[in-house]
Amino acid sequence: EAGVTQFPSHSVIEKGQTVTLRCDPISGHDNLYWYRRVMGKEIKFLLHFVKESKQDESGMPNNRFLAERTGGTYSTLKVQPAELEDSGVYFCASGHTVGQNTEAFFGQGTRLTVV
Amino acid sequence: QKEVEQNSGPLSVPEGAIASLNCTYSDRVSQSFFWYRQYSGKSPELIMSIYSNGDKEDGRFTAQLNKASQYVSLLIRDSQPSDSATYLCAPDSGGYNKLIFGAGTRLAVHP
Repeated sequence: EAGVTQFPSHSVIEKGQTVTLRCDPISGHDNLYWYRRVMGKEIKFLLHFVKESKQDESGMPNNRFLAERTGGTYSTLKVQPAELEDSGVYFCASGHTVGQNTEAFFGQGTRLTVV
Repeated sequence: QKEVEQNSGPLSVPEGAIASLNCTYSDRVSQSFFWYRQYSGKSPELIMSIYSNGDKEDGRFTAQLNKASQYVSLLIRDSQPSDSATYLCAPDSGGYNKLIFGAGTRLAVHP
């Protein structure tokens, strides 16, 4: 079974440019999460989709970040325009809920560097 | 106070010993608790989940949960050099399916 896949694995862009990150969750997983880790800090929650709906986007830093999940399948996270402080590793995770519990499985991450 | 507290380490243990990793959390409503292992430059890998007070064993790993004390731990028996990694404690937030991560404890198992 394929795991969570993310594209690209690395991205280097200039300040002010736009970048779109993609995440393909594990097939059948309704829950999809975006997390971010900036240098030296904890992994921070960005947002949570259940199928195509945004369940919780309380962690999105500002309106330069836009996440979508087309048809409840793959998800994209767009940063426009990118700023230096957006640099970090962006992780996507997906999970299947059984009862009240959801175990989340992470993709390999996208390392974003804004210069 | 951080939402999830972990000793950053490094925790150094000899091969074959028991490694004990501790975590405290602030959200009394948290219901689900997870331990992830993260090798340098890699993504977090789920190794244990625990939902009820007490112990849960899976192979060499034992997770312990005490909701009254807001404390969760991970024991690794017969530690191996391949266990050397950062271990992340992640309770859910508010009882919902959103994880809050600690900074992690770096474990070093030396031969």
